[in-house]
Amino acid sequence: DIQMTQSPSTLSASIGDRVTITCRASQSISSWLAWYQQKPGKAPKLLIYRASTLQSGVPSRFSGSGSGTEFTLTISSLQPDDFATYYCQQYNSYSVTFGQGTKVEIK
Amino acid sequence: EVQLVQSGPELKKPGESLKISCKGSGYRFATYWIGWVRQMPGKGLEWMGIIYPGDSDTRYSPSFEGQVTISADKAISTAYLQLSSLKASDTAMYFCGRGLPDNTGALIDNWGQGTLVIVSS
Repeated sequence: DIQMTQSPSTLSASIGDRVTITCRASQSISSWLAWYQQKPGKAPKLLIYRASTLQSGVPSRFSGSGSGTEFTLTISSLQPDDFATYYCQQYNSYSVTFGQGTKVEIK
Repeated sequence: EVQLVQSGPELKKPGESLKISCKGSGYRFATYWIGWVRQMPGKGLEWMGIIYPGDSDTRYSPSFEGQVTISADKAISTAYLQLSSLKASDTAMYFCGRGLPDNTGALIDNWGQGTLVIVSS
């Protein structure tokens, strides 16, 4: 299995902050990486796919970059609705794996 | 509007079996993959497997192969996740999701509401 490692595990930030979350793959996954947002008790929501393509309807303050083994999710100006847990997912093969998650908390 | 509606919460005893359903609407069910994801209490997302309802092509995560059964009935636009010989460690929320035809079909753009399964004696 390809291991996905996210950092940090928890992030404390204020409204308006620029936030960056990193996801590293144990081997190259080209650009087959997605980012999801999940709020407590809810299903995940797709934010970014193919590492950098914004899903329809997702605010433009979210962006993704990277290829190969290193990827980032950036929130340019953190909003109250953005406090949640974020997961990366590699779908390079049918052995799909998620990162362990990054919880974005209010500072 | 694309919708995936899962069956309701379940309370089961150890050793029992369970089949969770996921009914799709608002799109051509047979032509999109359906994936299943487990989330244990307070933990992260775990990929279980995926099925293409059009031909029932099914791919399991190595972690779940042999432990669960994924199936689909395209005639009624419904996918299923079967768990047998339940243990307390199967207590979790289970999500289904529609997979886009992007590489492996595991890119989930629409999700069910989740089915809470509690296994307790």
